[in-house]
Amino acid sequence: NAGVMQNPRHLVRRRGQEARLRCSPMKGHSHVYWYRQLPEEGLKFMVYLQKENIIDESGMPKERFSAEFPKEGPSILRIQQVVRGDSAAYFCASSPPRGMNTEAFFGQGTRLTVV
Amino acid sequence: AQSVAQPEDQVNVAEGNPLTVKCTYSVSGNPYLFWYVQYPNRGLQFLLKYITGDNLVKGSYGFEAEFNKSQTSFHLKKPSALVSDSALYFCAVRDYGQNFVFGPGTRLSVLP
Repeated sequence: NAGVMQNPRHLVRRRGQEARLRCSPMKGHSHVYWYRQLPEEGLKFMVYLQKENIIDESGMPKERFSAEFPKEGPSILRIQQVVRGDSAAYFCASSPPRGMNTEAFFGQGTRLTVV
Repeated sequence: AQSVAQPEDQVNVAEGNPLTVKCTYSVSGNPYLFWYVQYPNRGLQFLLKYITGDNLVKGSYGFEAEFNKSQTSFHLKKPSALVSDSALYFCAVRDYGQNFVFGPGTRLSVLP
């Protein structure tokens, strides 16, 4: 059972371009979480999705950021018109569909650099 | 709303000494508590969790954590620290919406 897969691992974008970050959850997992981490800082929650539904997007900036988790395929975090302040590591985690007693499994992250 | 506090930004300990990384939480209802570790340029790795049962939970790499309901704490411990334990440690609680709420993290440095 492969772990949570994120790609790309590193992404460089010029200001104004779009960034697409992909996350394939572990097999059988239907809950996906996205977090952002600035260097030497903690994790900032962005969005929590279940298949085809956004459950909690309270951590998402109101503009330029969007996320989806379609019925088929990976979850996508999309950042439009990137700015230097978007440079960070973005982590995805997944968990099984049932039970509060299960932990979340993290991917290795995508490190976005905006130049 | 659920919340997690890690009162220490940094913990320094000598190799071979016991270590403690502190965590306190605030939840309504039964807490579901987790510890994760992050090494440089890596994702978070699960260490251990408390769901119910014994207050002392054992996890990976010799770590354990003690759940204390009256003090609303879930401190991470290890009897003898290794230099390789140096990393960033996160405490988390899972809320009824099934989201994971993380603390700000504590950087552990084990000195040789």
